[in-house]
Amino acid sequence: EIVLTQSPGTLSLSPGERATLSCRASQSVPSSFLVWYQHTPGQAPRLVIHGASSRATGIPDRFSGSGSGTDFTLTISRLEPEDFAVYYCQQYGNSYSFGQGTKLEIK
Amino acid sequence: QLQLQESGPGLVKPSETMFLTCTVSGGSISSTSSYWGWIRQPPGKGLEWIGSISYSGSTYYNSSLKSRLSMSMDTTNNQFYLKLSFMTAADTAMYYCARDLGGFHWGQGTLVTVSS
Repeated sequence: EIVLTQSPGTLSLSPGERATLSCRASQSVPSSFLVWYQHTPGQAPRLVIHGASSRATGIPDRFSGSGSGTDFTLTISRLEPEDFAVYYCQQYGNSYSFGQGTKLEIK
Repeated sequence: QLQLQESGPGLVKPSETMFLTCTVSGGSISSTSSYWGWIRQPPGKGLEWIGSISYSGSTYYNSSLKSRLSMSMDTTNNQFYLKLSFMTAADTAMYYCARDLGGFHWGQGTLVTVSS
């Protein structure tokens, strides 16, 4: 089983700042099979990034993904109020597994 | 636009079997290359993939749940189903159905509580 470890657990930032979220895998994950979700309380999780670096439909270009192998990053260039949520990475190259999440909160 | 809606009992007694339905609109569950999945999130905990079913009915289960789990689909009604037996308090969670295609595209979720 591939274990995904996200850091930090909580990230406190202000609107307009840059957010960098990390996802580290216990073994190599093909980039095609690494995705990121945004989860706001009371709403369905939303796919933000697929294939490690491709924005999902309707996702603004302030969101970007990068990485390969065991290290992946989600970057939000300039935070908007609606971006504060919990973000999860997930892989499906070897069964399915999720990271434990990073809570992005307003400072 | 594809939409998924979970429905189910809300409250299940310990040792009983839970049956959830996911109704899909805006797309056919039998379209080629479509896969459909279930994911859950216990209160205060992380996300756990439960299983997925393909457009042809092939199933793929989380090994930790496999002995209690069954997934099926009804193409006529454009629904797919989750059956989890011998429920315990540890199965209390928000249950989501989703299209499994290059990542999950999720329904709103339904809360299932296991309690006597």
